[in-house]
Amino acid sequence: SQTIHQWPATLVQPVGSPLSLECTVEGTSNPNLYWYRQAAGRGLQLLFYSVGIGQISSEVPQNLSASRPQDRQFILSSKKLLLSDSGFYLCAWSVLSGRAGEQFFGPGTRLTVL
Amino acid sequence: KQEVTQIPAALSVPEGENLVLNCSFTDSAIYNLQWFRQDPGKGLTSLLLIQSSQREQTSGRLNASLDKSSGRSTLYIAASQPGDSATYLCAVQGGSEKLVFGKGMKLTVNP
Repeated sequence: SQTIHQWPATLVQPVGSPLSLECTVEGTSNPNLYWYRQAAGRGLQLLFYSVGIGQISSEVPQNLSASRPQDRQFILSSKKLLLSDSGFYLCAWSVLSGRAGEQFFGPGTRLTVL
Repeated sequence: KQEVTQIPAALSVPEGENLVLNCSFTDSAIYNLQWFRQDPGKGLTSLLLIQSSQREQTSGRLNASLDKSSGRSTLYIAASQPGDSATYLCAVQGGSEKLVFGKGMKLTVNP
């Protein structure tokens, strides 16, 4: 069965510090991968998605970036965090065949920028 | 631009009631609609996926219907239990990879 992991689970960082959040998927090949942010009162917002290694699409211009160095690994980064980057970051995956389009989410990372 | 609305934002009911959760969307050109459950501080759990060609999906006590032409979906929860307490979100997928989410409905089922 497929499993999705995210780490760390929680993170407290000062403004201006770098960020690296990691997401890995097990039990499937060539998944689509997604990064979402959930902020209080704003709902879930898609940040980035990837349909393959090295292929990243950005939905929202900001100081965050994403990379996909391996088929089942997706990384969210920032060089300098802002207060507004605080939120709950969720990674998700989907496949293109069978139950095409259904997205499955990881446990999330709670980021607090102080 | 696709917009997804869930009303009401919160609902509190006694145990045993049959529930109806509503979701509406502005652009009927969708690929699929997905219902999720989120427990506090946790990720999203996929409950049901309805493809655009389908009218409903069922899983246990849950039944979701889709009326694409009117831009509406309904999630029915039969015989609600305290363990059903969570936030329920619906999301639609259009031609892109992007899921557009509603803001969710917080459900509390009281014993």
